[in-house]
Amino acid sequence: KNQVEQSPQSLIILEGKNCTLQCNYTVSPFSNLRWYKQDTGRGPVSLTIMTFSENTKSNGRYTATLDADTKQSSLHITASQLSDSASYICVVSASHAGGSYIPTFGRGTSLIVHP
Amino acid sequence: EAGVTQFPSHSVIEKGQTVTLRCDPISGHDNLYWYRRVMGKEIKFLLHFVKESKQDESGMPNNRFLAERTGGTYSTLKVQPAELEDSGVYFCASSPVGQGISAGANVLTFGAGSRLTVL
Repeated sequence: KNQVEQSPQSLIILEGKNCTLQCNYTVSPFSNLRWYKQDTGRGPVSLTIMTFSENTKSNGRYTATLDADTKQSSLHITASQLSDSASYICVVSASHAGGSYIPTFGRGTSLIVHP
Repeated sequence: EAGVTQFPSHSVIEKGQTVTLRCDPISGHDNLYWYRRVMGKEIKFLLHFVKESKQDESGMPNNRFLAERTGGTYSTLKVQPAELEDSGVYFCASSPVGQGISAGANVLTFGAGSRLTVL
């Protein structure tokens, strides 16, 4: 069964500090891994996407890493801002015949940045 | 470019009633997905359209749920009759059809979701 586990479940940090969110998965056959940011009352928005051959991808203050051997990913947020307060969701997709992809979602990490 | 639009944003109905959720994907996106998030749990896949055809509906919980995408444009998700456990946020997402990640395929654009509360 394909699963995506995220940790921590929730995190509170002070503005300006760095933090790292973790994602472990058992999805096969692996196609790609994405991190989404979901603000309250909105749909998820893609931050990064990585395929099997990529082990790091940056998007501004967000840096995602992928270790396909251990099936782990992390999302590092540098110099956090109040606007970073959101739910961060790890999504891992398995490839299927015909080119379709079925994503498996983690439960998300709820990040709160305090001033 | 307009994003993925969902309607209504929030619906409150009684158990046994019918509700229809609508999703307007980004124009030109052939892939349309429905997802559901029950409070405290992860977002779960319901089904996937490619144009007007159902590519995968393995996530649909039971036959009280009916999704359509006539003409391959907007999609509706009908719940009839609604039960208490159907409460949650229903997300719609769309993506273009392409050859691999580099073409933008599989990068889903989500709508804001339709919150369904069944009393």
